[in-house]
Amino acid sequence: DAGVTQSPTHLIKTRGQQVTLRCSPKSGHDTVSWYQQALGQGPQFIFQYYEEEERQRGNFPDRFSGHQFPNYSSELNVNALLLGDSALYLCASSTPPDGNIQYFGAGTRLSVL
Amino acid sequence: AQSVTQLDSQVPVFEEAPVELRCNYSSSVSVYLFWYVQYPNQGLQLLLKYLSGSTLVKGINGFEAEFNKSQTSFHLRKPSVHISDTAEYFCAVSETGAGSYQLTFGKGTKLSVIP
Repeated sequence: DAGVTQSPTHLIKTRGQQVTLRCSPKSGHDTVSWYQQALGQGPQFIFQYYEEEERQRGNFPDRFSGHQFPNYSSELNVNALLLGDSALYLCASSTPPDGNIQYFGAGTRLSVL
Repeated sequence: AQSVTQLDSQVPVFEEAPVELRCNYSSSVSVYLFWYVQYPNQGLQLLLKYLSGSTLVKGINGFEAEFNKSQTSFHLRKPSVHISDTAEYFCAVSETGAGSYQLTFGKGTKLSVIP
């Protein structure tokens, strides 16, 4: 049973560039959430996708956007990268009725230079 | 809005000793509570969860936690730790109402088990 998979594992970008991160949910899950974990901090909620729509959003600027595909996989896009966007980006999946029980992938480490 | 406070940023403990990692939360509505563990350079693994029912919940790797509504706490305990328990532990809360899906995390507690 495949868990949550994320790609790539590491990424290096420069300021102003754009990046796309990818996530495949756990088998049987239809909901994907994205979190940003800065160094030494707990994860912070970016947004959640369900039925290909953004269902809930945290306190992140519009530079952060996402997409969910019919197979439930998801992408996180970040435009106009800032140094402060350097973090571990975590994807989590879940499914109703236990939508609050989220299972996490290993993350993508983004470094912005 | 909800918030989580993990009272200790670092906890050193000797191998085979008991440990308690403290977590307090704040919310105006009913909540679900979770503990996750993060090993170095890895994602988060769900240790245990409180959704309803018994306030004492058992999780993987011998960990347990007790939900105390009056004290708004959800402390994590293990009676005897192993070297392999060295990791960072995160407490998280989620509101129970429809339309609330995000997890709000504390800043984490680094558990160091000393041989």
